Amino acid sequence: KAGVTQTPRYLIKTRGQQVTLSCSPISGHRSVSWYQQTPGQGLQFLFEYFSETQRNKGNFPGRFSGRQFSNSRSEMNVSTLELGDSALYLCASGMEDTQYFGPGTRLTVL
Amino acid sequence: SQQGEEDPQALSIQEGENATMNCSYKTSINNLQWYRQNSGRGLVHLILIRSNEREKHSGRLRVTLDTSKKSSSLLITASRAADTASYFCATDDQTGANNLFFGTGTRLTVIP
Repeated sequence: KAGVTQTPRYLIKTRGQQVTLSCSPISGHRSVSWYQQTPGQGLQFLFEYFSETQRNKGNFPGRFSGRQFSNSRSEMNVSTLELGDSALYLCASGMEDTQYFGPGTRLTVL
Repeated sequence: SQQGEEDPQALSIQEGENATMNCSYKTSINNLQWYRQNSGRGLVHLILIRSNEREKHSGRLRVTLDTSKKSSSLLITASRAADTASYFCATDDQTGANNLFFGTGTRLTVIP
């Protein structure tokens, strides 16, 4: 099976802009989770979607949002970008207890 | 805030030696997982150990779990240069949701 894919792999934006990141889970996986990784805060959970519904949410401001489509593909959106949003954004799809991660999208906010 | 703390933060060993990394966590768990990350890339799942298990093996990996001490260790035997990476432990929060809490990571360098 193909692994988790994320697009784009790299992105450069300026403060105030918005960005949309995409994640395609492993075929058959219905759960998709998003994580933010920064040098200062490490890996932090953003939110999880299961069958098109947000099932769990981490402690991030409302500027961070997401959705999941009927084919389990997921997108996350960050509005009004701040410098501190520069990070590696990782998507994971899950089967039972194990989560499999994609390669990530490296977002740089200038 | 992160669930776990890992120790040491960095480890440098010679190829062929064993590497041991430790992870401590704060709350009760259903399972604990170890992941590897190469240079800011995606996380690769290594092994999952459930709360009712004490030890698990996978190839050159050996994981132990002590729920009374809320700690786990990852042993990599006969290390190779390709094992150079950051290693993270991750725990769940017993709610059944798929959100993981990650440790701070151990940066392992294996010198050829």
